[in-house]
Amino acid sequence: GQSLEQPSEVTAVEGAIVQINCTYQTSGFYGLSWYQQHDGGAPTFLSYNALDGLEETGRFSSFLSRSDSYGYLLLQELQMKDSASYFCAVRGSWGKLQFGAGTQVVVTP
Amino acid sequence: GAGVSQSPSNKVTEKGKDVELRCDPISGHTALYWYRQSLGQGLEFLIYFQGNSAPDKSGLPSDRFSAERTGGSVSTLTIQRTQQEDSAVYLCASSEGLVETQYFGPGTRLLVL
Repeated sequence: GQSLEQPSEVTAVEGAIVQINCTYQTSGFYGLSWYQQHDGGAPTFLSYNALDGLEETGRFSSFLSRSDSYGYLLLQELQMKDSASYFCAVRGSWGKLQFGAGTQVVVTP
Repeated sequence: GAGVSQSPSNKVTEKGKDVELRCDPISGHTALYWYRQSLGQGLEFLIYFQGNSAPDKSGLPSDRFSAERTGGSVSTLTIQRTQQEDSAVYLCASSEGLVETQYFGPGTRLLVL
């Protein structure tokens, strides 16, 4: 089976840096994805790591360590619009994505 | 082109009634997925299609739930004899292939009274 753990909530001020950790247990692993979901909205893709290392996309970066079954999403220069839920998701041996429970990021002025 | 669309956007039904939820994936996307999200919770995988076939139906919560996809495009998720615990947002997503980024629709908010 598969399980993912991520913190339930993180609060930070505008302009700060936030790191959301995700640890996973899976019988098959093809990669770790991150999705953002605003209240009432649909999840939208942020990043995907299939190999170890850091992937940078603008203010967001994602990291993966396959040997540690661990990854994180780094949000830099936080903006109010970044207030949302962030989900890590593991891609198993076929098409299924297993999502974590989500981390609510609250950005304060 | 257009994104993933779902209908209806909201559905209120009485316990015991059947409901059908529809998903129109992005044109050309071969893979289609159904998820369920309860209030404040993560996404629960239900089923996925590659073309018209569903290799894994193990995510469906009970035999009251079924799904089909025709013509490699539109998919319908049917819930028979709805129960109050079925109340949730049902999300559909599609991707070009099984390892590609998934694009989500806006969801159908189902409320069973």
